[in-house]
Amino acid sequence: SQQGEEDPQALSIQEGENATMNCSYKTSINNLQWYRQNSGRGLVHLILIRSNEREKHSGRLRVTLDTSKKSSSLLITASRAADTASYFCATSRGGGGNKLTFGTGTQLKVEL
Amino acid sequence: EAGVAQSPRYKIIEKRQSVAFWCNPISGHATLYWYQQILGQGPKLLIQFQNNGVVDDSQLPKDRFSAERLKGVDSTLKIQPAKLEDSAVYLCASSRGGGAGILSYEQYFGPGTRLTVT
Repeated sequence: SQQGEEDPQALSIQEGENATMNCSYKTSINNLQWYRQNSGRGLVHLILIRSNEREKHSGRLRVTLDTSKKSSSLLITASRAADTASYFCATSRGGGGNKLTFGTGTQLKVEL
Repeated sequence: EAGVAQSPRYKIIEKRQSVAFWCNPISGHATLYWYQQILGQGPKLLIQFQNNGVVDDSQLPKDRFSAERLKGVDSTLKIQPAKLEDSAVYLCASSRGGGAGILSYEQYFGPGTRLTVT
């Protein structure tokens, strides 16, 4: 079953603009991860935020987590055409297994 | 470091036939995962191994799907017999696992095998 749901399902922006994607989930988590998937490089890990963290940065990526609302957002600043991809949030309850439950994804298109 | 290897990349079979996928994880990664990704959806975990033991196979359709990781390194996933609804991309991933801190949680994915069942 899909734990998370991303919003919007699809997003089209111009190069240089910021892109924001949201993820909602249903159960308590240990950490939440964002992945990018495109035809060229497959599924790639972007960033991980733990349940006791509220915000995390990595290069042009900014992730926030609100455990009280069971939601997370991914902000990509100064987007580039190469950022065109599907973005998935994935939640984990942690532990030795670290089973990931993926959301439905947001398709981002960055136009020149 | 070399990434996760999978083969074949593409496979077309008729329903009721059998098929097998192979995965070689990143060297030293203790945990190996098989996911099924249907077009337009996120990946769904089928089975997870820690070394050569199964950690979670709750979403594996055991009447037709099987997987093994005999020596705790590479793994095979088999479908027998295949159904039309098995058409999907099958992704293999690995992670350090073993509780090696937060880095153990990052999963590295292979390119996947695109299966079409006709």
